[in-house]
Amino acid sequence: GIQVEQSPPDLILQEGANSTLRCNFSDSVNNLQWFHQNPWGQLINLFYIPSGTKQNGRLSATTVATERYSLLYISSSQTTDSGVYFCAVRYGGATNKLIFGTGTLLAVQP
Amino acid sequence: DGGITQSPKYLFRKEGQNVTLSCEQNLNHDAMYWYRQDPGQGLRLIYYSQIVNDFQKGDIAEGYSVSREKKESFPLTVTSAQKNPTAFYLCASSMDRSSYEQYFGPGTRLTVT
Repeated sequence: GIQVEQSPPDLILQEGANSTLRCNFSDSVNNLQWFHQNPWGQLINLFYIPSGTKQNGRLSATTVATERYSLLYISSSQTTDSGVYFCAVRYGGATNKLIFGTGTLLAVQP
Repeated sequence: DGGITQSPKYLFRKEGQNVTLSCEQNLNHDAMYWYRQDPGQGLRLIYYSQIVNDFQKGDIAEGYSVSREKKESFPLTVTSAQKNPTAFYLCASSMDRSSYEQYFGPGTRLTVT
């Protein structure tokens, strides 16, 4: 099956710093989503981005489907950005099954 | 407010007991999903349903059962046959099978001792 790898696995930032999170996938995908899991476990939708670039405030994402990777940019990080960031992909078939990466654990220190 | 609700937030059970986790959505979504998350890992699909009265096994369905009698409800039963039931369980929904964006509920943390 498709493999989804995220890097780095852990990241510690000072408040105000910028960061880039990466998601690599081993096969062509039809859908890619980025999520933020807050400390209470809630998964928050950040981007639905099967290709191209999107921006939402301090966050932006780029997916290059032909090269099988996606990047999540966080600028001017805040302590509330802490948590785990997951990418998830859907590939092939008629069903909407998402395959999740193992996540990047981000800690933003004041 | 539209959204997905899961109850309870925390659940404790003795080994050998079946337990049912609730998932309700008022988004008028056709498709619903159950995922399991273990510490330090991503989510894995247990079951999904694309329409009322129909559901399919995901990647780790053994020891679980579901029903989809109403569009807005998709309860998950963790049976005594599930060898390692302690985990965080998340329910999700999407508009229909061709709408790929999934939205998640707040989760239920199940502890079995």
